[in-house]
Amino acid sequence: AQKITQTQPGMFVQEKEAVTLDCTYDTSDPSYGLFWYKQPSSGEMIFLIYQGSYDQQNATEGRYSLNFQKARKSANLVISASQLGDSAMYFCAMREDMEYTGNQFYFGTGTSLTVIP
Amino acid sequence: DTGVSQDPRHKITKRGQNVTFRCDPISEHNRLYWYRQTLGQGPEFLTYFQNEAQLEKSRLLSDRFSAERPKGSFSTLEIQRTEQGDSAMYLCASSPGGKLFFGSGTQLSVL
Repeated sequence: AQKITQTQPGMFVQEKEAVTLDCTYDTSDPSYGLFWYKQPSSGEMIFLIYQGSYDQQNATEGRYSLNFQKARKSANLVISASQLGDSAMYFCAMREDMEYTGNQFYFGTGTSLTVIP
Repeated sequence: DTGVSQDPRHKITKRGQNVTFRCDPISEHNRLYWYRQTLGQGPEFLTYFQNEAQLEKSRLLSDRFSAERPKGSFSTLEIQRTEQGDSAMYLCASSPGGKLFFGSGTQLSVL
């Protein structure tokens, strides 16, 4: 089974509007972390936001927020007030904290976001 | 803190040749990861080091791939007898135990 599922290959959003990028995950580990990374066309992976499995509140970082629904195993990224510079690939990732093999990270297949002027 | 450094940025090789990539992590990051990414896909896990110990290696990784991290500092990834299917971006990332910090990657093209 896929550890991370991103079901939206491509998304479009009007500039200044909000957009939600979907992510579901699969783990039986009680301790894990959820991440979102942005990859512009230049190729570098840029960290956006982090949510720990035990965190009670949804994480926020500026215009980014993570809608964490633990029972549904979803970790959607919400970008508010979209800007042209937000056009990029977005990857959801999960870190499992394994007792003997340490931290292992899994990535989804990504969502390509295009911001329309 | 100069970030994660990868060398070379680009590598073009002929099928059957061996190639080696280098990754210098952020100093004092004890965890180091190698990923492979093809166009339009997410990073695919290859292998993971904690200090000098290689703790996990993807089952998808053939015996032609080997990685080392002597003394727990820089790491090298070697691909022997390259195949056209090895063409991809090879990403290195390091971590102190939280999020991953990525390098700019090495783009490999096998002709």
